[in-house]
Order: sequence, then C-alpha cells, then structure tokens
Amino acid sequence: SYELTQPPSVSVSPGQTARITCSGDALPKQYAYWYQQKPGQAPVLVIYNYSERPSGIPERFSVSSSGTTVTLTISGVQAEDEADYYCQSGDSSGTPWVFGGGTKLTVL
Amino acid sequence: EVQLVQSGAEVKKPGESLKISCHGSGYSFSNYWIGWVRQMPGKGLEWMGIIFPGDSDTRYSPSFQGQVTISADKSINTAYLQWSSLKASDSAMYYCARGGRYADFWGPGTLVTVSS
Repeated sequence: SYELTQPPSVSVSPGQTARITCSGDALPKQYAYWYQQKPGQAPVLVIYNYSERPSGIPERFSVSSSGTTVTLTISGVQAEDEADYYCQSGDSSGTPWVFGGGTKLTVL
Repeated sequence: EVQLVQSGAEVKKPGESLKISCHGSGYSFSNYWIGWVRQMPGKGLEWMGIIFPGDSDTRYSPSFQGQVTISADKSINTAYLQWSSLKASDSAMYYCARGGRYADFWGPGTLVTVSS
C-alpha cells in the first residue's frame, strides 16, 4: 500500500523556521495536503492544492516541493504552532486519503 | 458556516453493535464527500472510508473493508459509521470530515471505548 513518510519530531525555538518533510512516490503527480492537530482537538486543514491556505491560516505556513518530497515550512514559529502535523495525499489506485505518520512540532 | 456535528462518546462491550453519526450543516450536504478517519490513542490518522451522500457511492480503505459500514441519509444531512460486532481494538477517536481529495472541515470526533 502507498505510504507517506514524515519525521516523527521537529523542534525549533520561537521565531525560527520549522521544516517538516513528507515523502511519497506519487507526490510529483499528486497534491499534498497538510493538517495541524493540537492536543485534544480535531485536525485543521492548513494547506491545500499545493500551497493554498484556508481562511484564517497565517501566511507563515508555506509549502515547497522537490521530487518525491514536499516540505511544510513554518516561518517565524510561534508557541501556538506547537502541534502534530500530518501530510495527506491520494494514491494512483484511487485511495483518496493517505496520511503520513505525523510529525510532532515542539516549540522550545 | 460549515459545521459537522458528531454524536456523543460511547462506551460499549465487545461484541456489541454501534452506529455513530455526523450531521452536516451550512452547505449542500448531498454534494460533498464525507470521510471517516480513525485515531487510536496516541497514534496517527487512518482513513477508513468515504461516502458521497448524493448517490451513496462509498469507498473503503482495504484495512477497514468488511469491518465497518458507512452510510448516509441525505434527507437529514447525516452520515453514519457502524459496527456489527465491536472489538476492544476498535477503541479510538473517530472523526468525520468533509471533502473528496482532501478534508476541509472536520467534526469534533466521537470517542468510542470498547471494554468488558
């Protein structure tokens, strides 16, 4: 089955830049989407259609891509950004929602 | 405002059946896919399946095919996830979310606890 690979954890200091990667063979052909999940809360969509941000998501969230890896970049990290982040894509067999294992972002 | 309201927490015994719900409002319920996602304690998100309420077209993850049933009643803007015989390993948070290629709005989740 198709897999998306994320690092288990990323740590940054406030004001620094956090980069969370998501790797998958189909990513050059499929969009990656990103969700933020804070403890005890439902996930929230933060990036869709490669680099679009839903209303209310700060501009400091952005995405870049290289080959089979997509990177979520959070510039000027704030304490409120501490959360689990999940990438999601579809695979070529028609499975619409394949999730990465999630990355815990810790703001030191 | 788009809202997905899920039914309340459930405590069940192994072998019991269960049906949880997800009511959508603030948009045309029939015209958007609704997906179900499992999150076991301390773990990541797992896609279970998805339904298009307009025609009840349903797709399942191979991991959940045959283990659960997804349905919808478009007349009352509600999608359902049901089990015929729960196992302890079904204990988890279950989220419904709107969307086809991605999930743009999520319900708050329904916590299911299965314990003897």
